[in-house]
Amino acid sequence: DGGITQSPKYLFRKEGQNVTLSCEQNLNHDAMYWYRQDPGQGLRLIYYSQIVNDFQKGDIAEGYSVSREKKESFPLTVTSAQKNPTAFYLCASSFTSDSEQFFGPGTRLTVL
Amino acid sequence: EDQVTQSPEALRLQEGESSSLNCSYTVSGLRGLFWYRQDPGKGPEFLFTLYSAGEEKEKERLKATLTKKESFLHITAPKPEDSATYLCAVSGNQFYFGTGTSLTVIP
Repeated sequence: DGGITQSPKYLFRKEGQNVTLSCEQNLNHDAMYWYRQDPGQGLRLIYYSQIVNDFQKGDIAEGYSVSREKKESFPLTVTSAQKNPTAFYLCASSFTSDSEQFFGPGTRLTVL
Repeated sequence: EDQVTQSPEALRLQEGESSSLNCSYTVSGLRGLFWYRQDPGKGPEFLFTLYSAGEEKEKERLKATLTKKESFLHITAPKPEDSATYLCAVSGNQFYFGTGTSLTVIP
């Protein structure tokens, strides 16, 4: 059963801590993306990767980091440098950078 | 500047009352226009891709159309289970998402 999985579904973090959000896909997609969604706002691109071992910053990359060591995996680390990390984080993947993106179920991060 | 604008921001319909959602875009070299449905607390669910003006796609009570400047998502005889936020996105130099239309269908 193909799809995109994200874990955990809910994550709580204390200020000053780094946390890593997991994203895995078995759709054989080359491109993967991380978005942030805040209430009343559209999806904002954090990072994207078009191929293994390569990734680019999106519109709001400050305070975040990623890696793409495997085609199937694109983890996102929210660092202590991110000033307002509480948000809903969505991972997506697509065959190419122009084609439709398919989304995971999301991770809701709350900073305590 | 490339951008995507969706209207209205919110729409309330009676069950069975057909209507349309609008997605206006300005993008250099449109490569595709995409519609998604998003339920609260969940990831967006892909609905349609449109590539060229005049193209139409249908799925159950939903029909998406595309012109050179905008796309419409027509909802025919909606049911309460159609209540969701509908997102539009375009692929140009990069992917751009609109802020969505929140649809509520009242029984």
